[in-house]
Amino acid sequence: DSGVTQTPKHLITATGQRVTLRCSPRSGDLSVYWYQQSLDQGLQFLIQYYNGEERAKGNILERFSAQQFPDLHSELNLSSLELGDSALYFCASSLSGRALSGTDTQYFGPGTRLTVL
Amino acid sequence: DQQVKQNSPSLSVQEGRISILNCDYTNSMFDYFLWYKKYPAEGPTFLISISSIKDKNEDGRFTVFLNKSAKHLSLHIVPSQPGDSAVYFCAASAKYDMRFGAGTRLTVKP
Repeated sequence: DSGVTQTPKHLITATGQRVTLRCSPRSGDLSVYWYQQSLDQGLQFLIQYYNGEERAKGNILERFSAQQFPDLHSELNLSSLELGDSALYFCASSLSGRALSGTDTQYFGPGTRLTVL
Repeated sequence: DQQVKQNSPSLSVQEGRISILNCDYTNSMFDYFLWYKKYPAEGPTFLISISSIKDKNEDGRFTVFLNKSAKHLSLHIVPSQPGDSAVYFCAASAKYDMRFGAGTRLTVKP
């Protein structure tokens, strides 16, 4: 158990809909990271927040947005869903905001499996 | 654009033997390289990393080798154990970006 929690575990929805994925970081961690893993692909970095502020942006679509709240939990909002958005979405957390540089450890949650029908 | 590639989707080895997982990258700006292990229904867990200024890093049964000129890294597991059966991802980072390979599924047979 990494200490990172993600809800829900599974989500099934229809094209055109909007969903919100939730992540609670490990106690004490200030940074959260969101990743998308499509079938047979590696993890794609989407976005990072550090202490409530956006720190880095990866391959995140304009239909997707995220935020980190004062209690440090984060939400990833996916709108106008398409079939191709079906994927595993992982959240990770780290103590510092330096995990993308490789100098701090990311702890991953178990993921949310999104299925768009 | 696949800047990090793991060309072997799967690998099967006998318990006690060496497992060698390979990874290639294209971007010379990457300065840290990491390996993660993933069991089913769990998120990836960090295994070992190496800075671009080194060519080898060892942690118990796990050793990562980096060949910068070839833009290639490998993970050696010796001896392999059945509990090592998992998907292994390599990742490469450059300050505010991290790229992952598609993973190699390792099966260690008793």
